[in-house]
Amino acid sequence: NAGVMQNPRHLVRRRGQEARLRCSPVKGHSHVYWYRQLPEEGLKFMVYLQKENIIDESGMPKERFSAEFPKEGPSILRIQQVVRGDSAAYFCASSPQNRGGAFFGQGTRLTVV
Amino acid sequence: SQKIEQNSEALNIQEGKTATLTCNYTNYSPAYLQWYRQDPGRGPVFLLLIRENEKEKRKERLKVTFDTTLKQSLFHITASQPADSATYLCALDLVSGGYQKVTFGTGTKLQVIP
Repeated sequence: NAGVMQNPRHLVRRRGQEARLRCSPVKGHSHVYWYRQLPEEGLKFMVYLQKENIIDESGMPKERFSAEFPKEGPSILRIQQVVRGDSAAYFCASSPQNRGGAFFGQGTRLTVV
Repeated sequence: SQKIEQNSEALNIQEGKTATLTCNYTNYSPAYLQWYRQDPGRGPVFLLLIRENEKEKRKERLKVTFDTTLKQSLFHITASQPADSATYLCALDLVSGGYQKVTFGTGTKLQVIP
């Protein structure tokens, strides 16, 4: 009965490279959310997806960032041409419906050097 | 502007006492309010959800109150234990564009001293 699985747990990228963060939601959950957390700061909403559809991407920068949740396979958060300011912990959460508590993964800690 | 405020300073409490954490919000009308626990280097863990028409919710040693007039939620841990030491996050469930969107506070760090 696996929970939300995120990989990799730690990711180091040089400035200008691409970062791909993966999230496998709890089996049967069709709602996926991505959040970003900086040290000593709260979780900032980035994007909400529901199988193959982006419902709300209001928290995601318009450039360089994209997210998908295909019919088969994990949800992917993609950051192109990373900059130092992208360094943060990125959390994925899933829920069986769009209400109620969500299950979070352990996060991917991205470091841009 | 919209705000969710939690005690920014850490809360230190003696083992066995009741810890009370506060979540205040302005310019929001949440349908639900949630509380999560987060340990260092880990993802948040869902604890409790309370609906706008509920005044109080309990789960084992945890109790949450929700006052929509005061725009405040209180989170209580009774008989606190060192293992309760963590950061506790308040989150508001808002209905926006026909779906619910969760917005988090910055959290309060609780330290239970043996």
